[in-house]
Amino acid sequence: GAVVSQHPSRVICKSGTSVKIECRSLDFQATTMFWYRQFPKQSLMLMATSNEGSKATYEQGVEKDKFLINHASLTLSTLTVTSAHPEDSSFYICSAQRGGGDNEQFFGPGTRLTVL
Amino acid sequence: RKEVEQDPGPFNVPEGATVAFNCTYSNSASQSFFWYRQDCRKEPKLLMSVYSSGNEDGRFTAQLNRASQYISLLIRDSKLSDSATYLCVVNIGGGKLIFGQGTELSVKP
Repeated sequence: GAVVSQHPSRVICKSGTSVKIECRSLDFQATTMFWYRQFPKQSLMLMATSNEGSKATYEQGVEKDKFLINHASLTLSTLTVTSAHPEDSSFYICSAQRGGGDNEQFFGPGTRLTVL
Repeated sequence: RKEVEQDPGPFNVPEGATVAFNCTYSNSASQSFFWYRQDCRKEPKLLMSVYSSGNEDGRFTAQLNRASQYISLLIRDSKLSDSATYLCVVNIGGGKLIFGQGTELSVKP
């Protein structure tokens, strides 16, 4: 149990386009989902915390108008990178937390974004 | 100063060796602590939680020293399959995880 999927696994796009990444908890309901970004040879950096039905909480330095997060259901959160630029190229990983006292986070397989 | 600091390595060790990783964290209010393993271009996977009393899982032993804000991971009898990046992770509350840069381990035959 506790499987999290992400789609797509890899995306290459032109500069200026928007890219949507989906994160799904397949066999449990996730009250909270988290979005991370990882640049090569660096640590995962938390971008935002998303609770179902409410606005995401963004970390300092993360532009909420550029990285749109929607958590419309207990099994789906989406991250949209708007007007992507080459510096947005990174590995984007989501995680999901069951809640109810269970704090373990289950990570998705990640989405590798390359902006040309 | 980074919130979670690790020696990035790489640590190159022969099979069967014992290797130790260290980690320090800066937030004294941190609530829980973990070691994750990340293989190249994959998501991190939980290796083990870390407790002040120390805990062991097979060949892996983790230790937490809250007073000095220090976390360690010991791997005994290294296997080729242990080659990966080991991430020290701290929960600072509200479910927020802060990841260290990771320590790269390469186990050679």
